[in-house]
Amino acid sequence: NAGVTQTPKFQVLKTGQSMTLQCAQDMNHNSMYWYRQDPGMGLRLIYYSASEGTTDKGEVPNGYNVSRLNKREFSLRLESAAPSQTSVYFCASRTYPRDRHYFGPGTRLLVL
Amino acid sequence: AQSVTQLDSHVSVSEGTPVLLRCNYSSSYSPSLFWYVQHPNKGLQLLLKYTSAATLVKGINGFEAEFKKSETSFHLTKPSAHMSDAAEYFCVVSDPDNTGKLIFGQGTTLQVKP
Repeated sequence: NAGVTQTPKFQVLKTGQSMTLQCAQDMNHNSMYWYRQDPGMGLRLIYYSASEGTTDKGEVPNGYNVSRLNKREFSLRLESAAPSQTSVYFCASRTYPRDRHYFGPGTRLLVL
Repeated sequence: AQSVTQLDSHVSVSEGTPVLLRCNYSSSYSPSLFWYVQHPNKGLQLLLKYTSAATLVKGINGFEAEFKKSETSFHLTKPSAHMSDAAEYFCVVSDPDNTGKLIFGQGTTLQVKP
């Protein structure tokens, strides 16, 4: 049982490049989330998926797209990276009704 | 709308002395409140969770938090700080729409001096 896994751990991009951050969970959770963490701002929700086949915007969705490929996987795509997207990205999943969240180890993204 | 405010961005204590990390919340409903800890370059770990069963919530590693509705506060305490407690702490409220969306405070960095 690996919990929530994220790849890659670290990535450097140039402005305008694209990339996909991968997230997978092996706990059979319906709900999955993408957050970004910036200094002094806590974590902010980018997108979430309440169940397979559904996705919804969070607080800061601009510049991102997501895909809920199946129940296990929830990917985050940056189509044209900008320096403002330099951040640490965390994926999470949630049990219900116990309402316990499990976070991945994070992806550090640097956009030059 | 739900929100949380962590009143201190940085707290410094000596090892063996009490820890107090302050959090105020704003919620139209009876909230679910959490404290998470993040050690340097690590992921987030749940310390404790309040869900209205009891106002004093005990968590891991000797931490506890008290829910005070009249003060809209959910402060985190520990009687005696350890060097290993040095980390960033987040107060979090869950969105009441049952989607599981979390709203994080800005974080408090706890420094523990020997």
